[in-house]
Amino acid sequence: AQSVTQLGSHVSVSEGALVLLRCNYSSSVPPYLFWYVQYPNQGLQLLLKYTSAATLVKGINGFEAEFKKSETSFHLTKPSAHMSDAAEYFCAVSGAGGGNKLTFGTGTQLKVEL
Amino acid sequence: DTEVTQTPKHLVMGMTNKKSLKCEQHMGHRAMYWYKQKAKKPPELMFVYSYEKLSINESVPSRFSPECPNSSLLNLHLHALQPEDSALYLCASSHIGQGGTGELFFGEGSRLTVL
Repeated sequence: AQSVTQLGSHVSVSEGALVLLRCNYSSSVPPYLFWYVQYPNQGLQLLLKYTSAATLVKGINGFEAEFKKSETSFHLTKPSAHMSDAAEYFCAVSGAGGGNKLTFGTGTQLKVEL
Repeated sequence: DTEVTQTPKHLVMGMTNKKSLKCEQHMGHRAMYWYKQKAKKPPELMFVYSYEKLSINESVPSRFSPECPNSSLLNLHLHALQPEDSALYLCASSHIGQGGTGELFFGEGSRLTVL
């Protein structure tokens, strides 16, 4: 069984500050890990994914995440927050291969303040 | 074309109505999904179709009836819904097997309100 835990349901940062959203996973098989972003009243958009290639993954909009097996973590970071980054962020895990169930974390609401 | 298109974007229905949500993709994906999302919650899986066959039903009430007419289309038929069924319904698609990484492509969702 696979699961992810997102620490912090709400994170608030100042514009220009570092963004750090935390995700820890549990998986009995090599995991595929994902970060999705959801803006109000919209669907989910993929930010980045880890599929057992490079452990440091770069995504869209300046986001990146590092897969750390020893810590079972896949935290999302961005060096400098923009107002436009305010949204809900979901970490998700699936087993290796396609067509498997994607298990989502509970989500983190990112607020960016002036 | 990397889009999943859902219609309608908004739907209001009474508890005795019959309506349908529609989803279409042209990415050659052979897995299609319905998720339900309540406010401030993560998406919850409802159904998965693999190669146009229902492969996963997450114990969804029978008032929700999925249909996959072909590899590009996915419908969700709604009948005798309850107010608590009001939510955002998301369709997604993905590759299967060696061609896939488990990544799901989501549509914008259909916002359903049951009165």
